[in-house]
Amino acid sequence: GEDVEQSLFLSVREGDSSVINCTYTDSSSTYLYWYKQEPGAGLQLLTYIFSNMDMKQDQRLTVLLNKKDKHLSLRIADTQTGDSAIYFCAERRGGSTLGRLYFGRGTQLTVWP
Amino acid sequence: DTAVSQTPKYLVTQMGNDKSIKCEQNLGHDTMYWYKQDSKKFLKIMFSYNNKELIINETVPNRFSPKSPDKAHLNLHINSLELGDSAVYFCASSPHGAGNTIYFGEGSWLTVV
Repeated sequence: GEDVEQSLFLSVREGDSSVINCTYTDSSSTYLYWYKQEPGAGLQLLTYIFSNMDMKQDQRLTVLLNKKDKHLSLRIADTQTGDSAIYFCAERRGGSTLGRLYFGRGTQLTVWP
Repeated sequence: DTAVSQTPKYLVTQMGNDKSIKCEQNLGHDTMYWYKQDSKKFLKIMFSYNNKELIINETVPNRFSPKSPDKAHLNLHINSLELGDSAVYFCASSPHGAGNTIYFGEGSWLTVV
């Protein structure tokens, strides 16, 4: 299909791990991104992964990429209430000139104390 | 110090009016974008400019006219505003190249009444 798919909601307890899943569409997408949007705020780039990598770790964040299944996940370790936000998965399609991001609809992460 | 800055952040206006949103980036990037986020949080590209030249023009009503006076600025002018134009408009920029990350501004919340 044409759409980047994400589940809409995820609730976790503070201190647990969160895993947000995403399925993208274009096997030739070179870069895949995770953005975070807090209420009333803009889009903050959290992390990204190049398509020739399987995993990328950055402090509490771990990105896993399964290129065969076109599946991307974001794991947040020791989730805190401040992590409550909408998380967007995005794939970059197109070359250097016509490249653009295609976004999923976002996963609303709620962290309970 | 803000990398991608947009003004105004909030705009409430009546149907039929004409309004502009301004965007500036101080990152030295060649490419700038406008994305629209609708009430369901769905993000979609509207326009892309590379070195002041229009590169991407998605299916957007011609009431929307971007203007890039130089590569650090990309403004969005909207004529004859309609209720359905209410959304958050995000400006973004990236260096030229397929692998380069796209950085977003804080967004402009437009409400048409």
